[in-house]
Amino acid sequence: EAQVTQNPRYLITVTGKKLTVTCSQNMNHEYMSWYRQDPGLGLRQIYYSMNVEVTDKGDVPEGYKVSRKEKRNFPLILESPSPNQTSLYFCASSSRLAGGNEQFFGPGTRLTVL
Amino acid sequence: DQQVKQNSPSLSVQEGRISILNCDYTNSMFDYFLWYKKYPAEGPTFLISISSIKDKNEDGRFTVFLNKSAKHLSLHIVPSQPGDSAVYVCAAFNGNKLVFGAGTILRVKS
Repeated sequence: EAQVTQNPRYLITVTGKKLTVTCSQNMNHEYMSWYRQDPGLGLRQIYYSMNVEVTDKGDVPEGYKVSRKEKRNFPLILESPSPNQTSLYFCASSSRLAGGNEQFFGPGTRLTVL
Repeated sequence: DQQVKQNSPSLSVQEGRISILNCDYTNSMFDYFLWYKKYPAEGPTFLISISSIKDKNEDGRFTVFLNKSAKHLSLHIVPSQPGDSAVYVCAAFNGNKLVFGAGTILRVKS
């Protein structure tokens, strides 16, 4: 089954404790992206990757890091989480980011930073 | 600066009637528009899209209309079914990323 998976689905942590949220897709997609969703706002892009070893900042990259060492994986790293990073996070992938190819989304990771 | 806006937080429609969901955008450089359906605590799922060179795209009960001069698009669902109840999110493609609206909650009453 074609899918995007994220782990963990739920995470409660404390300020300053490094964490990684994993994202994996099995569709051989070149493009992957991370979004956060906050109440009353649309999904906002954190980072994206056009292909292996190619990453770039989205609209809200502060406090986050990513890496793309393999095509299928795109982990999101919070080196020193803060309470304002409490949010619902989505990973997405698509086969090409041109012509409106739809992005496939993971199930989401709800992160709480105390 | 919200480039994609969905001004109606919610919409309630009777089963069998038409649902019209609206979306406005500010950036004339957007060249593709998409609608996603979303349930709480789940990722969005793609519904339908339209290129900026078209003004209408239809897929079964779902039709998207684009009015470039007004920078406005709408999603029509006919006939509406209770299973259509969800959050509908409008998105616009701008170069190498999607810009999302905040979503509209659709409730279809039986």
